[in-house]
Amino acid sequence: GQQVMQIPQYQHVQEGEDFTTYCNSSTTLSNIQWYKQRPGGHPVFLIQLVKSGEVKKQKRLTFQFGEAKKNSSLHITATQTTDVGTYFCARSNTGKLIFGQGTTLQVKP
Amino acid sequence: DTAVSQTPKYLVTQMGNDKSIKCEQNLGHDTMYWYKQDSKKFLKIMFSYNNKELIINETVPNRFSPKSPDKAHLNLHINSLELGDSAVYFCASTLGTDTQYFGPGTRLTVL
Repeated sequence: GQQVMQIPQYQHVQEGEDFTTYCNSSTTLSNIQWYKQRPGGHPVFLIQLVKSGEVKKQKRLTFQFGEAKKNSSLHITATQTTDVGTYFCARSNTGKLIFGQGTTLQVKP
Repeated sequence: DTAVSQTPKYLVTQMGNDKSIKCEQNLGHDTMYWYKQDSKKFLKIMFSYNNKELIINETVPNRFSPKSPDKAHLNLHINSLELGDSAVYFCASTLGTDTQYFGPGTRLTVL
């Protein structure tokens, strides 16, 4: 019940193509956080979404929180090789983060 | 300056040994965590300490014992290491319940 399901697990794209990862929960989320982990690196916080229907942008990255607060997505426009890594969504629950399984993005130059 | 640091970065050891991983944060955060990331990159919380007090203990074998001498440090001691303990262990810290800052990770390999 507390888990967040994230799809796809892997995505290979050609540089310049768009990329989207989706995060779904069976229960209403109080908020959703997104992290990026570069190969060999550690998770780095990207953003937190709190409000129903919220949309936030960071350059080529667009984050959305569903109207029912049960799903979220991260969309990257025109991927670059620097976007390579694993993207995690995470829900917070009583002071701890529960992570999705992550989506690993590979970008072919 | 490194915000969250861990030592060692790599740890290779034999089954049955006891080892420790150390974590320090200089962010003034009050809550620290240990996470385990398996070979499939799944990140799972193990422990959380708030101001030196254990507040989260997620179904972790009692071979794992965290210790927090002060709120800037959280160490993890593992007894009788098993093959399945091989993973990357991340320390993280936060102020309140918001953004978590992760350390660089310790890659543990049990032979």
